[in-house]
Amino acid sequence: EAGVAQSPRYKIIEKRQSVAFWCNPISGHATLYWYQQILGQGPKLLIQFQNNGVVDDSQLPKDRFSAERLKGVDSTLKIQPAKLEDSAVYLCASSYDGETQYFGPGTRLLVL
Amino acid sequence: GENVEQHPSTLSVQEGDSAVIKCTYSDSASNYFPWYKQELGKRPQLIIDIRSNVGEKKDQRIAVTLNKTAKHFSLHITETQPEDSAVYFCAAGEGIYNYGQNFVFGPGTRLSVLP
Repeated sequence: EAGVAQSPRYKIIEKRQSVAFWCNPISGHATLYWYQQILGQGPKLLIQFQNNGVVDDSQLPKDRFSAERLKGVDSTLKIQPAKLEDSAVYLCASSYDGETQYFGPGTRLLVL
Repeated sequence: GENVEQHPSTLSVQEGDSAVIKCTYSDSASNYFPWYKQELGKRPQLIIDIRSNVGEKKDQRIAVTLNKTAKHFSLHITETQPEDSAVYFCAAGEGIYNYGQNFVFGPGTRLSVLP
């Protein structure tokens, strides 16, 4: 089966600019996760969707980050405006049972 | 919310020796405990998982043990090989009975297997 797809793979922006990331989960996976992984740390959950509803967004910095999953399939994560500390890899994962997660290749963001 | 600690942060072993990584969690509602392997520049990949109704699970050279009373679980890798070198993450969450909520990763252990 096709894996989780993400784009772009790399992005360089200046602080205060905006950026958007896209994720296409594995077909049929109802649960979708966005993680932020700062270099040398474990993935930190930003938001979790069950179909097109939000299950957990307690660690999403809502003043600058937003995410949506229209129609319960693809998802986008947006940062506006970006800060230097947002430099990280943004990982999307999907799951069919709310347990086993399959990760995409990630988007590496550098904020200058 | 859930808090997951992981030790050691780095681990070096000789090829053929065993490696053990330990994690503790704080939320007694957690019932699903996976381990992920992440090679440099690549995505995390699930290597083994365990649920709270099981105390131990084994898959070839990899095993995981869980002590729910003490809220800790461990990854055991036997007969280590150079390709086992990677960062290993433990995680804890509420599993399928609650849509996998409160899923938290540990900070990771960098394992180096020396030839």
